[in-house]
Amino acid sequence: ETGVTQTPRHLVMGMTNKKSLKCEQHLGHNAMYWYKQSAKKPLELMFVYNFKEQTENNSVPSRFSPECPNSSHLFLHLHTLQPEDSALYLCASSQDHRRDRGFEKLFFGSGTQLSVL
Amino acid sequence: QKEVEQNSGPLSVPEGAIASLNCTYSDRVSQSFFWYRQYSGKSPELIMSIYSNGDKEDGRFTAQLNKASQYVSLLIRDSQPSDSATYLCAVNGDSDFNKFYFGSGTKLNVKP
Repeated sequence: ETGVTQTPRHLVMGMTNKKSLKCEQHLGHNAMYWYKQSAKKPLELMFVYNFKEQTENNSVPSRFSPECPNSSHLFLHLHTLQPEDSALYLCASSQDHRRDRGFEKLFFGSGTQLSVL
Repeated sequence: QKEVEQNSGPLSVPEGAIASLNCTYSDRVSQSFFWYRQYSGKSPELIMSIYSNGDKEDGRFTAQLNKASQYVSLLIRDSQPSDSATYLCAVNGDSDFNKFYFGSGTKLNVKP
């Protein structure tokens, strides 16, 4: 098991549902990320948090709402999703901010496979 | 838009051969380069990082970087069936060091 834990591993939801994805990192990192991985497409960066502050929102629709209460926890709240939002959602963390080479490596969680019906 | 390009494959090599995976990137100011391995149904796992032009070796893996030509490659020597996976190339900028740009990955099949 990695130092980044994601729950749930699988999620099936209807378009009118509200659900949340949870991520926790035990690595002492201070940057956390949400990525979306669709079949045959590059990983898409969604959100970045540095020391609990959101530093990146990569033009993500408002039906995805992130929350970062502290440097170890990250949530992705989902509501009124569309079938095209079905994908693998990956959380990642990195030891950031020092910008020294070797500290910016990403460590991924196991992901949540999301299906929107 | 910064782009990272990889041949989607599949790349098939026999067991024991050298697998060569290539990646090109569009942003000249990219500073850090990574190779991730992703098994089917699993999350990406970092296997190599490289920051300077030239070669970096780690066991059976060698990463090669050529910033002038804007490409980075990964060589896997003595390929094993357990190396069969999708290999993702990622680059990281200088000013936007929280942004990692990924290629779509190359699927590698190592045949016994």
